[in-house]
Amino acid sequence: EPEVTQTPSHQVTQMGQEVILRCVPISNHLYFYWYRQILGQKVEFLVSFYNNEISEKSEIFDDQFSVERPDGSNFTLKIRSTKLEDSAMYFCASSRQGATDTQYFGPGTRLTVL
Amino acid sequence: LAKTTQPISMDSYEGQEVNITCSHNNIATNDYITWYQQFPSQGPRFIIQGYKTKVTNEVASLFIPADRKSSTLSLPRVSLSDTAVYYCLVRTGGFKTIFGAGTRLFVKA
Repeated sequence: EPEVTQTPSHQVTQMGQEVILRCVPISNHLYFYWYRQILGQKVEFLVSFYNNEISEKSEIFDDQFSVERPDGSNFTLKIRSTKLEDSAMYFCASSRQGATDTQYFGPGTRLTVL
Repeated sequence: LAKTTQPISMDSYEGQEVNITCSHNNIATNDYITWYQQFPSQGPRFIIQGYKTKVTNEVASLFIPADRKSSTLSLPRVSLSDTAVYYCLVRTGGFKTIFGAGTRLFVKA
């Protein structure tokens, strides 16, 4: 069964550093998403991406965040200048179609900002 | 976006059927109801989705009454490995998916 993969599984960085989280969505999926989950809290939507552009984003997704699909398989989330409060699990998801189609989540990247 | 309300936690024993009810009083005509399962430090995993009446797959059943203001996820014969957080989501044509706090299910031996 195809699945979403994410790398690295755990990233430790210093405050103020840039990090790039990587995702490989399911191959025939067209819609891509990033979510985050701070320890012990809810899963929060960050951004959705389709046809090489952001289709929707939350208020969390401010100017320090950016997303990119650099090639035909990868989908990345960049955090330009990390803050302590960016420490969380970051989940990538993909769906074949948008809207109500099922989103399949990756295993997540645990980001720790020191 | 329709808000959902679920019990914070539930306990069950192995082999029992578990029913988790979610209320979504302001669900819109185009909204679908989706349930996800999440284990600690893992991504949410799709369980089932429905629009009305009853949907069944190999994992669970989803019951949706005619007014669609609530839905019930039914897990037959749970095992210890079903201990997880279960999220009820109401999703419409937008891409933004809102997760609530979910229901923490504890399955005991």
